Amino acid sequence: LAKTTQPISMDSYEGQEVNITCSHNNIATNDYITWYQQFPSQGPRFIIQGYKTKVTNEVASLFIPADRKSSTLSLPRVSLSDTAVYYCLVALGRDDKIIFGKGTRLHILP
Amino acid sequence: NAGVTQTPKFRILKIGQSMTLQCTQDMNHNYMYWYRQDPGMGLKLIYYSVGAGITDKGEVPNGYNVSRSTTEDFPLRLELAAPSQTSVYFCASSPGLTIEQFFGPGTRLTVL
Repeated sequence: LAKTTQPISMDSYEGQEVNITCSHNNIATNDYITWYQQFPSQGPRFIIQGYKTKVTNEVASLFIPADRKSSTLSLPRVSLSDTAVYYCLVALGRDDKIIFGKGTRLHILP
Repeated sequence: NAGVTQTPKFRILKIGQSMTLQCTQDMNHNYMYWYRQDPGMGLKLIYYSVGAGITDKGEVPNGYNVSRSTTEDFPLRLELAAPSQTSVYFCASSPGLTIEQFFGPGTRLTVL
């Protein structure tokens, strides 16, 4: 099974932009890239989804290069409340399995 | 809408006991999923369903069983509980495979 690869952890400061990159070398043509956020003792929450180029919503931006082998979640002007685990998810169209990455533990410092 | 609800919130089992984790969604989603999350780890897919009467294995199905008799309900059954099944279990649903999943609050299970 293909899988995603993300940094295990990242630290940043309030007010800064944070970029988290996910590698998904075996992504299939029909697959979408989805990012989730998870706070302690809660289920994951959808942040953003994209197929190619750039997607932006009120929370984040998602950058996907032309080869789609990686993607970057960008969080503008983070605050302490953005401290969470961020998961990159790729739906594997070939065999219908869904694989969550191990997640990136983001710690925002004051 | 209540979204995805799970019961119970917490449970302690003895080795060899059985139990069913309940999951219900009121969004009329076709897809439903069961994940487990071990302490400090990511989510692993146990089973999923693409509609009533259809289920399939995920990454870690051993020791679990599921059924999907209605669109709303997707219970997860543990037949012979083992300490390795100590985890937090999340149920989720979505309108489609590649579309946003909505997660329940989780069930924290400890097997002693």
